[in-house]
Amino acid sequence: NAGVTQTPKFRILKIGQSMTLQCTQDMNHNYMYWYRQDPGMGLKLIYYSVGAGITDKGEVPNGYNVSRSTTEDFPLRLELAAPSQTSVYFCASSYDGQGRSGANVLTFGAGSRLTVL
Amino acid sequence: GQQVMQIPQYQHVQEGEDFTTYCNSSTTLSNIQWYKQRPGGHPVFLIQLVKSGEVKKQKRLTFQFGEAKKNSSLHITATQTTDVGTYFCARSGGSNYKLTFGKGTLLTVNP
Repeated sequence: NAGVTQTPKFRILKIGQSMTLQCTQDMNHNYMYWYRQDPGMGLKLIYYSVGAGITDKGEVPNGYNVSRSTTEDFPLRLELAAPSQTSVYFCASSYDGQGRSGANVLTFGAGSRLTVL
Repeated sequence: GQQVMQIPQYQHVQEGEDFTTYCNSSTTLSNIQWYKQRPGGHPVFLIQLVKSGEVKKQKRLTFQFGEAKKNSSLHITATQTTDVGTYFCARSGGSNYKLTFGKGTLLTVNP
């Protein structure tokens, strides 16, 4: 299993450009997530999905859009890139019932480093 | 609310010294998870604690969940250079599939 795969690993955008960060998982996990990580600020949830066709906003959704047409894929779209979106983006996935109790355990992709100039 | 506070934000130690990071909440936690992120890497799950007063060990790492389930700690005995990275705690809120992460503790180890 490849786990969670993100592309691209690095990207530089100009202000106002658009792009899509791709995320795919081959573990048949029903939950998928997008987090952004800024230095010293931890991981903040952008959007998440509980299954194909269902998405919901996280803590910092403004400026982003997502879709979940299949169980495997969860792309994140930036429509009008702004310098404030310079960050490292992590996609993650999980499934119910990973343990007898407690919360789902997240499996993260390697990350996508985005710079907006 | 759903926040978890981690202290310290940074810790620099000499190799062989012990290290402890703390995760605190103003509300009772259903569970707490710990992740490690190596420099330039991605977060990797270490452990989950669910019971009051629970203690779990992984080699030189000891994880504790407070009796009141409002705090947790991660202790590393005799640090090594391979321990370098950022350690995050994470909690779930009303749903088990949605996690809120602390800001992390960055550990650096001087060889």
